[in-house]
Amino acid sequence: EDKVVQSPLSLVVHEGDTVTLNCSYEVTNFRSLLWYKQEKKAPTFLFMLTSSGIEKKSGRLSSILDKKELFSILNITATQTGDSAIYLCAVGYGNKLVFGAGTILRVKS
Amino acid sequence: NAGVMQNPRHLVRRRGQEARLRCSPMKGHSHVYWYRQLPEEGLKFMVYLQKENIIDESGMPKERFSAEFPKEGPSILRIQQVVRGDSAAYFCASSPSQIIMGQGSYGYTFGSGTRLTVV
Repeated sequence: EDKVVQSPLSLVVHEGDTVTLNCSYEVTNFRSLLWYKQEKKAPTFLFMLTSSGIEKKSGRLSSILDKKELFSILNITATQTGDSAIYLCAVGYGNKLVFGAGTILRVKS
Repeated sequence: NAGVMQNPRHLVRRRGQEARLRCSPMKGHSHVYWYRQLPEEGLKFMVYLQKENIIDESGMPKERFSAEFPKEGPSILRIQQVVRGDSAAYFCASSPSQIIMGQGSYGYTFGSGTRLTVV
């Protein structure tokens, strides 16, 4: 059965800290790995990764994929209270996404 | 561009009633996907539809659930005889064409969801 596992389940940090969120997967016919941020509403797209070892960056967020070890990490530097959200990892194949349960991040001021 | 519109935002049904969830895709999009998010769990794929066609319903429960995407109007996810276990957030996403994840695609855009509560 296809599986995506995220860790930790939840995390509380202080503003300015750096956090690393983990995502491991076991999916047949892997095509891509995606990260989403979910606040109170719709998941919003952050990154899509298809190749190993190539870091993608957007401001204070960055992500990298290791297709040999079947995992990805999402880094957030200099965290802000606005980063508080659920971070979802998903693996795509065909037209579907298989999601992990998410990591709940809370950034305290 | 109004994005993917879902309504209602919140829906309360008593056990045994029917629930109808609507999804209007982004303008120009003819492909719709439904996902369900149960409490403490990630989103799970339910069904993928094109206009007037169900392409993949491998994630749909076998009974009580159905989906359609007519030529005109929104996509509808219908749940008959709801039970407490159907309480969840239901998200819809749309794309302009068939998405093959990992081939130059950025995935698809989600709507804000419908939160169904069965009492």
